[in-house]
Amino acid sequence: KNEVEQSPQNLTAQEGEFITINCSYSVGISALHWLQQHPGGGIVSLFMLSSGKKKHGRLIATINIQEKHSSLHITASHPRDSAVYICAVPTSGGGADGLTFGKGTHLIIQP
Amino acid sequence: NAGVMQNPRHLVRRRGQEARLRCSPMKGHSHVYWYRQLPEEGLKFMVYLQKENIIDESGMPKERFSAEFPKEGPSILRIQQVVRGDSAAYFCASSPDRVADTQYFGPGTRLTVL
Repeated sequence: KNEVEQSPQNLTAQEGEFITINCSYSVGISALHWLQQHPGGGIVSLFMLSSGKKKHGRLIATINIQEKHSSLHITASHPRDSAVYICAVPTSGGGADGLTFGKGTHLIIQP
Repeated sequence: NAGVMQNPRHLVRRRGQEARLRCSPMKGHSHVYWYRQLPEEGLKFMVYLQKENIIDESGMPKERFSAEFPKEGPSILRIQQVVRGDSAAYFCASSPDRVADTQYFGPGTRLTVL
């Protein structure tokens, strides 16, 4: 079964800074998810990616399948980006598995 | 196309009562997943269902918990004789078919057991 490691666990930065959150997993996968959970608790799917790079607004996600590693970047960070960012992968690697989640990165952006 | 819907959003039960959590997947989605997030902990897989079938329930406690996804209507996660340790946020997600990897999450149900 897949194991997921995220770093850092906590991150506090100033508004405008470039943010990087890392995720490593142990079993080859078909796709990786980045999720965002706000203090209110709801979960939003940010990206699902299987190769290369995806960009949505100020968010960029990259994945290196060979190294079993993904990064989530936030450019020009803003206090509203403050949330928990969670990496998730299929438990057995692919298909319609349930997901295994990282413990999350608690991001705080200070004005 | 409405997203994944869960209700109720908040549910309060006393110890020993039953809790029923509902999940309506996105239109056209036949796969439903239930996840639990205990206070101060990460999300954990509970069960994966297709219409009328439980595919994988390896993450679900053996006692008091059951799940179904009938041919018509929402998926139901049922917790019998709730205890304080069942207090958590329960999320469901849906996907369109077996080979799809994208899961779309609902807003969650926050269960509080008094």
